Amino acid sequence: EVQLLESGGGLVQPGGSLRLSCAASGFSSSSHAMSWVRQAPGKGLEWVSLISGSNDGTYYADSVKGRFTISRDNSKNTLYLQVNSLRADDTAVYYCAKGRTSWYLTYFDFWGQGTLVTVSS
Amino acid sequence: EIVLTQSPATLSLSPGERATLSCRASQSVSSYLAWYQQKPGQAPRLLIYDASNRATGIPARFSGSGSGTDFTLTISSLEPEDFAIYYCQQRDSWPGTFGQGTKVEIK
Repeated sequence: EVQLLESGGGLVQPGGSLRLSCAASGFSSSSHAMSWVRQAPGKGLEWVSLISGSNDGTYYADSVKGRFTISRDNSKNTLYLQVNSLRADDTAVYYCAKGRTSWYLTYFDFWGQGTLVTVSS
Repeated sequence: EIVLTQSPATLSLSPGERATLSCRASQSVSSYLAWYQQKPGQAPRLLIYDASNRATGIPARFSGSGSGTDFTLTISSLEPEDFAIYYCQQRDSWPGTFGQGTKVEIK
């Protein structure tokens, strides 16, 4: 059974940092594109970052480029998102999502339950 | 970036009725469009991919159609568990954008 379990969210001050983790089980995450998608309170889905399964290429939304870094540890089957220089508008539930394919242009067929990041002083 | 516009924003229907949701792309996405369902407090669930293919375990009452810039998600007869928010997403070009969502609520 495919499972994605996020952790690492919390309350952080503006300008602060966090590292989000997503532990995958039931499949080999290295063979799939893996992504972070966020949802601000009461808002829609916003794709944040993706790492491809074909060549580990990394991709970012313009709103987070230069501040967020996606990575993975294949030995632990775990995806990470290092989030730096946090702003109030980064406040959201961050979902980890599994791509249907290894390619960076993909859909997401499994999602974790999300981890809440709140940026506030 | 491709913009996906969903309509209507809210659809008020009764159980047993047919729901028709629209997603329009700002430029052609071929057939590279998916639909997701999200219930309150839950993660999204993939329903339809490549415009018309049901994902694993999705009931036959959900169907998708369209190509190019105009797409439709149809729920043939609403069940109580279908009242939720529905999002479309394209994978034709980078970044793979989402629509803003259509809420299907109980009338």
